[in-house]
Amino acid sequence: GENVEQHPSTLSVQEGDSAVIKCTYSDSASNYFPWYKQELGKGPQLIIDIRSNVGEKKDQRIAVTLNKTAKHFSLHITETQPEDSAVYFCAASASLSGNQFYFGTGTSLTVIP
Amino acid sequence: DADVTQTPRNRITKTGKRIMLECSQTKGHDRMYWYRQDPGLGLRLIYYSFDVKDINKGEISDGYSVSRQAQAKFSLSLESAIPNQTALYFCATSDPDRGKQFFGPGTRLTVL
Repeated sequence: GENVEQHPSTLSVQEGDSAVIKCTYSDSASNYFPWYKQELGKGPQLIIDIRSNVGEKKDQRIAVTLNKTAKHFSLHITETQPEDSAVYFCAASASLSGNQFYFGTGTSLTVIP
Repeated sequence: DADVTQTPRNRITKTGKRIMLECSQTKGHDRMYWYRQDPGLGLRLIYYSFDVKDINKGEISDGYSVSRQAQAKFSLSLESAIPNQTALYFCATSDPDRGKQFFGPGTRLTVL
């Protein structure tokens, strides 16, 4: 099955700086790559996603890039704010296999005011 | 997401007890999932269901069973709980057309 690796496991940045979280996947059939934000005591919440037919997607301060050849995708958060502090998970899914999702191990992001 | 609810939110039980975790959704999605979250291990799939008559094992189904009582309800059972089943459990639904998943608030289970 699919194997998703995520780095780093922890990340601290100063408020206003950028944060980058990277994930790699193993199954070339994967074609949908969501990112989730999990705040303390809550379930993961989808913040952005990308499909394999595009290389980059932006939503305000958040962007995701995908390199299908290298099988890696990244989350970029610009102008970080304290409320961005949370655990972020990447995931991969291949529609042909029925929408099973495989998750990375998470990155704990701390934005220092 | 308020559209996906889980009960109970917290549960402490003893080794050998049978436990049921319940999930309900109002999103109208056919697809439902149960995940387990452990520190440093991310989310791992226990079971998933694509409709009321469809149940599939995930990567860590041993020691668990599920029941899909209706489109909106998907329950997870631990027939005989053991301490290493102590974890956060999440229910999720997904939109089959767009692939997006929506998670419940989680159930924190402690097995003593």
